[in-house]
Amino acid sequence: GAGVSQSPRYKVTKRGQDVALRCDPISGHVSLYWYRQALGQGPEFLTYFNYEAQQDKSGLPNDRFSAERPEGSISTLTIQRTEQRDSAMYRCASSHRQGTYEQYFGPGTRLTVT
Amino acid sequence: EDKVVQSPLSLVVHEGDTVTLNCSYEVTNFRSLLWYKQEKKAPTFLFMLTSSGIEKKSGRLSSILDKKELFSILNITATQTGDSAVYLCAVEASGTYKYIFGTGTRLKVLA
Repeated sequence: GAGVSQSPRYKVTKRGQDVALRCDPISGHVSLYWYRQALGQGPEFLTYFNYEAQQDKSGLPNDRFSAERPEGSISTLTIQRTEQRDSAMYRCASSHRQGTYEQYFGPGTRLTVT
Repeated sequence: EDKVVQSPLSLVVHEGDTVTLNCSYEVTNFRSLLWYKQEKKAPTFLFMLTSSGIEKKSGRLSSILDKKELFSILNITATQTGDSAVYLCAVEASGTYKYIFGTGTRLKVLA
């Protein structure tokens, strides 16, 4: 596609439910990153993939958060047993290759946990 | 601990003014620094800087890096209301391929 796309754009869920957020990177981009962005803050790194391999998940807050990219393209970030503190904008970015390359961001998924 | 600090946190100017936004960093084995503009949607890429002293320029925007003093500046000349946004700086820590973002500078340009 022309840019990074994410779905859904907005998600409201009740505490305790699981949610799955999807990211479709720019076609041909090898690396894919997940960030969380709180209001008034810069994006905070969660995890990233090179092709289908998860290279670094040090930013995932706890074991309720997981991510996968099984075929090296679309990625899913899953949050289990959501809590109110999980409410945030979740952004995905992709880059041409792993390494010193600019990242292009998607529009984000605004998650609200009630 | 790796850190990126942007200043000022916010800035209000009038159209036509020139602004300078600052980004200082502390990372292990610096490799690259990125500038982004964020309006209401996703951050949009502006510049990538890897070498000291080489200015990157795009229209009224320019940026330069000082690896000795560990900072970068983003200049916007002849500001327009369309420049109103949050400007984010991110630094890659070598060997990690992770970017650490600052909190951003919120710029408002008044007509």
